[in-house]
Amino acid sequence: GQNIDQPTEMTATEGAIVQINCTYQTSGFNGLFWYQQHAGEAPTFLSYNVLDGLEEKGRFSSFLSRSKGYSYLLLKELQMKDSASYLCAVKDSNYQLIWGAGTKLIIKP
Amino acid sequence: ETGVTQTPRHLVMGMTNKKSLKCEQHLGHNAMYWYKQSAKKPLELMFVYSLEERVENNSVPSRFSPECPNSSHLFLHLHTLQPEDSALYLCASSQGGGDSSYEQYFGPGTRLTVT
Repeated sequence: GQNIDQPTEMTATEGAIVQINCTYQTSGFNGLFWYQQHAGEAPTFLSYNVLDGLEEKGRFSSFLSRSKGYSYLLLKELQMKDSASYLCAVKDSNYQLIWGAGTKLIIKP
Repeated sequence: ETGVTQTPRHLVMGMTNKKSLKCEQHLGHNAMYWYKQSAKKPLELMFVYSLEERVENNSVPSRFSPECPNSSHLFLHLHTLQPEDSALYLCASSQGGGDSSYEQYFGPGTRLTVT
């Protein structure tokens, strides 16, 4: 079966750096997405990786290793507003989007 | 950016009721999606419409019935639901259809409670 694994919950300190990991086993690969979802709100798109390597976008970066079935989202200079759930999703060979259950990130002062 | 709107935001219904969820996208996209989000579970894709044609139906019970009258509007008609159908129902849209790599834009969701 197809599966996306990410930690259920993580805690980090304001101003610090946190890395949220995502591993996947899917039938084929057509890109990996990261979304942010604040409690009670819509998921919003953060990043898309289809080739190996690091994509940087301000304080957020996303890394992909297709051979390892692995990605991470790196958040720098954490702010209280970064407290949210982070969802990892992979498009398989049929372009179906397979979602992880999300990682709840708690930022402490 | 909230180019996708959903109504109502909250809905409580009995198991014998019939109700409809509405989604509207103002982004000029040609694909629309219905998802179910339950606590601590992955998003479950329910239906995909591309160019107003249903291209995917992920074994969803017939008590959920989608309708896409045009590329900007999507409905989810509900009837004789079960308590386990209580969840957040999210609508999304994207530039391309399901076979593209464009990101999806989500609406705020409808929190549904079935009593």
